[in-house]
Amino acid sequence: GQQLNQSPQSMFIQEGEDVSMNCTSSSIFNTWLWYKQEPGEGPVLLIALYKAGELTSNGRLTAQFGITRKDSFLNISASIPSDVGIYFCAGLTGGGNKLTFGTGTQLKVEL
Amino acid sequence: DTAVSQTPKYLVTQMGNDKSIKCEQNLGHDTMYWYKQDSKKFLKIMFSYNNKELIINETVPNRFSPKSPDKAHLNLHINSLELGDSAVYFCASSKIAGGYTDTQYFGPGTRLTVL
Repeated sequence: GQQLNQSPQSMFIQEGEDVSMNCTSSSIFNTWLWYKQEPGEGPVLLIALYKAGELTSNGRLTAQFGITRKDSFLNISASIPSDVGIYFCAGLTGGGNKLTFGTGTQLKVEL
Repeated sequence: DTAVSQTPKYLVTQMGNDKSIKCEQNLGHDTMYWYKQDSKKFLKIMFSYNNKELIINETVPNRFSPKSPDKAHLNLHINSLELGDSAVYFCASSKIAGGYTDTQYFGPGTRLTVL
């Protein structure tokens, strides 16, 4: 089946640093999504990408849909303590509503 | 106002028991989902219902039976619980719009522990 691999698996960074994480797939997706999950909560959508090559920002977050349709990256600029959590990429195949989630990147921010 | 709510938040039970988890959304969405998140935080879809009809069933054991009494509710019933069923179960909903699927909104999760 389809698999989405995220890297790094976890990150421990200093407050104020920029963060970059990526997601690669063995299959093509038509939509890429990035979610954040905080402890004890469900995932919350951060950014949605609908076209290959698309670059979209949401505040300090920027994500890009790879031109091969098999990858995506997420950048967080000037990280703050509330950025901690697990970040998931997710891919959506065309016409359907089945999300395939990545393996997650756990972000920890040191003050 | 809670958009997607699940009950209970925590469920601890013995192996072999039957249990249900309830989900309700007040967003007016047409589609609801159940996901399972294992101990390694991997999230995997289990089921999806659109207007009370099953549209996705991901090779889940038939001990798991979703029930959608109406568009706003999707309950998950689990028979003969096994140790491997221990996980966090998330309900989600979305409104299909045009050729794209709208954002999926997730509930807070139900942590199921089977002893």
